[in-house]
Amino acid sequence: GAGVSQSPSNKVTEKGKDVELRCDPISGHTALYWYRQSLGQGLEFLIYFQGNSAPDKSGLPSDRFSAERTGGSVSTLTIQRTQQEDSAVYLCAQGGAANNEQFFGPGTRLTVL
Amino acid sequence: DQQVKQNSPSLSVQEGRISILNCDYTNSMFDYFLWYKKYPAEGPTFLISISSIKDKNEDGRFTVFLNKSAKHLSLHIVPSQPGDSAVYFCAASAWGAQKLVFGQGTRLTINP
Repeated sequence: GAGVSQSPSNKVTEKGKDVELRCDPISGHTALYWYRQSLGQGLEFLIYFQGNSAPDKSGLPSDRFSAERTGGSVSTLTIQRTQQEDSAVYLCAQGGAANNEQFFGPGTRLTVL
Repeated sequence: DQQVKQNSPSLSVQEGRISILNCDYTNSMFDYFLWYKKYPAEGPTFLISISSIKDKNEDGRFTVFLNKSAKHLSLHIVPSQPGDSAVYFCAASAWGAQKLVFGQGTRLTINP
């Protein structure tokens, strides 16, 4: 059924390589978020897109991380020169109609060897 | 600086009994609170929420209680069912801020 989808579901990469994670949101919702969940931790906010406004990048952990959202729909999160501490599940979420209710995709599990 | 804390990493409850999951927060600017449920290999799914103008919100077997003076909220599930076994995340947001701040999660196991 319709929902937020993410690809790939799993990604294994070598330290130092770049990776790109994709989020395909539900059409009609303008707010899009990226979070990550490291092992044993809660979800950590990374970045937020809302319409044509400048994104809130306050959660990005370093300048190796960047994200873009093309045409107000698909979003990609790019991690350059990956490090082992980047290993986590990266989750994309879309804003719902109710106050701050967010609908999450299944996530991409990133493993950096 | 952990603004939202779930101090119990795990909880085990007998089927049919009440499950109580707790969450504490430190930021007095938070005015909206949510609970999410997460199964393995899936994204979190929204369960129930409460605004800071209320102290209780009920939806079927799920009730969330908010104690603003103690900066504490709890999720009650009654009666607990095996399908409730999952990781539960508490989240909060401040007025005007879109991002959610999550706790570390509590793994709930319902035993038959």
